[in-house]
Amino acid sequence: EAGVAQSPRYKIIEKRQSVAFWCNPISGHATLYWYQQILGQGPKLLIQFQNNGVVDDSQLPKDRFSAERLKGVDSTLKIQPAKLEDSAVYLCASSSIQGRGEKLFFGSGTQLSVL
Amino acid sequence: DAKTTQPPSMDCAEGRAANLPCNHSTISGNEYVYWYRQIHSQGPQYIIHGLKNNETNEMASLIITEDRKSSTLILPHATLRDTAVYYCIVRGGTNFGNEKLTFGTGTRLTIIP
Repeated sequence: EAGVAQSPRYKIIEKRQSVAFWCNPISGHATLYWYQQILGQGPKLLIQFQNNGVVDDSQLPKDRFSAERLKGVDSTLKIQPAKLEDSAVYLCASSSIQGRGEKLFFGSGTQLSVL
Repeated sequence: DAKTTQPPSMDCAEGRAANLPCNHSTISGNEYVYWYRQIHSQGPQYIIHGLKNNETNEMASLIITEDRKSSTLILPHATLRDTAVYYCIVRGGTNFGNEKLTFGTGTRLTIIP
């Protein structure tokens, strides 16, 4: 089966600019996640969708970050305006419930550099 | 906050079994233990998960102690491609769609030729 697709793979912007990331989850997966991974750290959950509804966005900096999942499929994550500390890899994942547990499938991520 | 404790790094000789420990002393009865790994420049990859019984799949084995306060991931015959950061994660098992998957800093496993 096709994996989680993310684009772009790399992005370089200057601080105060805007940027958007796109994610296409695995077909049929109801749950979609956006994670932020700063160099040397584990991924940190930003937002979790169940279909097109938000389940958890408690760690999303809502003054500058926004995310949407239209029609419960593709998702976009936007940063406006970007700060230097937003430099990170942004990972998208989708999941399906499989019997006794849930398995997440991750994309390769978008590496963002804010200069 | 992550509910698990892992050593920051480990080495293992190629062809030997790699045993990665994880402590999760505050685990509750309905929480599963998950293992993911992240190879450089890639997203995390699911390896295995379990509740209280030992589990085995094509990638690894998971041994969970009887009191469930710790577990060990075993890669039976490590290869250079197993060099990665390994994350042990505890997560609730009743309503997955509403449970966070929280990563710690993991164990950096290096396979030595």
